[in-house]
Amino acid sequence: AQTVTQSQPEMSVQEAETVTLSCTYDTSESDYYLFWYKQPPSRQMILVIRQEAYKQQNATENRFSVNFQKAAKSFSLKISDSQLGDAAMYFCAYRQGSSGGGADGLTFGKGTHLIIQP
Amino acid sequence: NAGVMQNPRHLVRRRGQEARLRCSPMKGHSHVYWYRQLPEEGLKFMVYLQKENIIDESGMPKERFSAEFPKEGPSILRIQQVVRGDSAAYFCASSLARATGELFFGEGSRLTVL
Repeated sequence: AQTVTQSQPEMSVQEAETVTLSCTYDTSESDYYLFWYKQPPSRQMILVIRQEAYKQQNATENRFSVNFQKAAKSFSLKISDSQLGDAAMYFCAYRQGSSGGGADGLTFGKGTHLIIQP
Repeated sequence: NAGVMQNPRHLVRRRGQEARLRCSPMKGHSHVYWYRQLPEEGLKFMVYLQKENIIDESGMPKERFSAEFPKEGPSILRIQQVVRGDSAAYFCASSLARATGELFFGEGSRLTVL
């Protein structure tokens, strides 16, 4: 079974600084997707960024970028120029690709609580 | 284009009662997923449905829980004879296709069992 591990229950960063959230995963599959979701106090899950395992290039979305290390099964999220609105729980998630025969759902880590200090 | 709509947002039930949670996927989406989030935990997959079919229910408890996604109307997650341990936030997500990988989530329904 796939597992996703987020080893940082909480992280704190000064506004305008850069922070990196860690995520590792375990899978025997070669076809999969990785995601970072943000859950603000409103509780809605908002997709931040996604990465296809077959792509070597790291995904980037404005101030958010990932460091995808497939061999190491690591998928960290870097937030540049942190803003107060970035404060939230961040969840790393894994999903098997369509070529696999396993579960269709996302497997989530336990989350990292990101605090932005003004 | 409306997002994934869940209702009710908050539901209070006494032990032994039934809880019904509804989810309307995004327009054009025929794939629906239900997740449960316990306090201080990540989301746990429960079930994946397409119209009128349960595709994957590997995360559903064996008893008291059921889900459906009829041809017309919203998907419904039903919990019979609720117990205190069922208190959680239940999230619904939808996707355009099975293989795209991207899920869009609703705002969740928070169930409290007294």
